[in-house]
Amino acid sequence: NAGVMQNPRHLVRRRGQEARLRCSPMKGHSHVYWYRQLPEEGLKFMVYLQKENIIDESGMPKERFSAEFPKEGPSILRIQQVVRGDSAAYFCASSTGAGMNTEAFFGQGTRLTVV
Amino acid sequence: AQRVTQPEKLLSVFKGAPVELKCNYSYSGSPELFWYVQYSRQRLQLLLRHISRESIKGFTADLNKGETSFHLKKPFAQEEDSAMYYCALFNAGNMLTFGGGTRLMVKP
Repeated sequence: NAGVMQNPRHLVRRRGQEARLRCSPMKGHSHVYWYRQLPEEGLKFMVYLQKENIIDESGMPKERFSAEFPKEGPSILRIQQVVRGDSAAYFCASSTGAGMNTEAFFGQGTRLTVV
Repeated sequence: AQRVTQPEKLLSVFKGAPVELKCNYSYSGSPELFWYVQYSRQRLQLLLRHISRESIKGFTADLNKGETSFHLKKPFAQEEDSAMYYCALFNAGNMLTFGGGTRLMVKP
């Protein structure tokens, strides 16, 4: 089991371009969480998805940001028309969602730099 | 709505000193609480969970339902403990909420 895989590890985009961040959860995990970490700041929740469904997107800006977790393939966090303030590390976590004793495993993150 | 609060953004101690990283939560149900650690520029790793009641790397945390706290403690800090520590809560709906994190710096 390769663990939670995020790619790319580093992404540089010019202002106004689109950024697509991918997260492949651990095998058997159907719950995915996305977090943003600004430099020297803590983790900020963005969105929680189960297969094909968005469960909670209360932490995700309404404009320019979207997330999906299709039946097949990785979860995608998409940022349209990026601005400098989007520069951050984006972490994905996955879990089985099995209730008690469940645990979230994290990817290594994608560091987005907007120039 | 659930909430996890870590009141200290930065905690600086000398090597060998005791450490307590505070975590308070609010949740109406029965919470599952965790501590995660993030060493410099690495992924978050699970440090411990309240259910297992184990000690990892000398750290312990006790769930105090009366005070709604889950403070992380270690009697003697080591330099390699310097990292970012996050308290987290899983609710019954599998929603995972983190506190703002505390950066622990252990000085030689």
